[in-house]
Amino acid sequence: AQSVTQLGSHVSVSEGALVLLRCNYSSSVPPYLFWYVQYPNQGLQLLLKYTTGATLVKGINGFEAEFKKSETSFHLTKPSAHMSDAAEYFCAVSGVSNYKLTFGKGTLLTVNP
Amino acid sequence: DAGITQSPRHKVTETGTPVTLRCHQTENHRYMYWYRQDPGHGLRLIHYSYGVKDTDKGEVSDGYSVSRSKTEDFLLTLESATSSQTSVYFCAISESPAGGPDTQYFGPGTRLTVL
Repeated sequence: AQSVTQLGSHVSVSEGALVLLRCNYSSSVPPYLFWYVQYPNQGLQLLLKYTTGATLVKGINGFEAEFKKSETSFHLTKPSAHMSDAAEYFCAVSGVSNYKLTFGKGTLLTVNP
Repeated sequence: DAGITQSPRHKVTETGTPVTLRCHQTENHRYMYWYRQDPGHGLRLIHYSYGVKDTDKGEVSDGYSVSRSKTEDFLLTLESATSSQTSVYFCAISESPAGGPDTQYFGPGTRLTVL
């Protein structure tokens, strides 16, 4: 079985501040990990993903995430928030051979001017 | 952007009526998925397809059926819509199974309201 927990359903930051969105996962097999972003009234768009290799993954729009196996975490960060980053962010996990992608419940990011 | 369209984009219907949502892709991807998105629940898998006429249930499949007669089209049917099926429905596609490293690409969604 696999699951995803996103800590904080709503995160609010000031423009220019650090963005940190937390994701913890459980998986009985080595995981593949994803972060998706959803802008209002749109579908989900891939931000970044971890499959194998380097544990620090860089994505689009200046976001990055680090896979920490010992902590079962895959937190998403961005050094300086921009107004255009306001959206809902979803962490997801899949595992080899179980043919399933499991999503967290999402974190709504608000960026204040 | 991946070539995925969903129709209709918005629909209001009444309890007890049948509803069919369509997902169309131009990417020739083998795998297609239907999810529903509800506040506080994230995305939950309804059904998925791993080829023409090959489908399987997801975690919230009760009250839904699917069909895939062509690679490019994946239909989701609510046989008798209920108010609990009011939701936003997303179609997704991928080249390989969801358990692998390949990305799932999402359509724009269909907002369904059942009165």
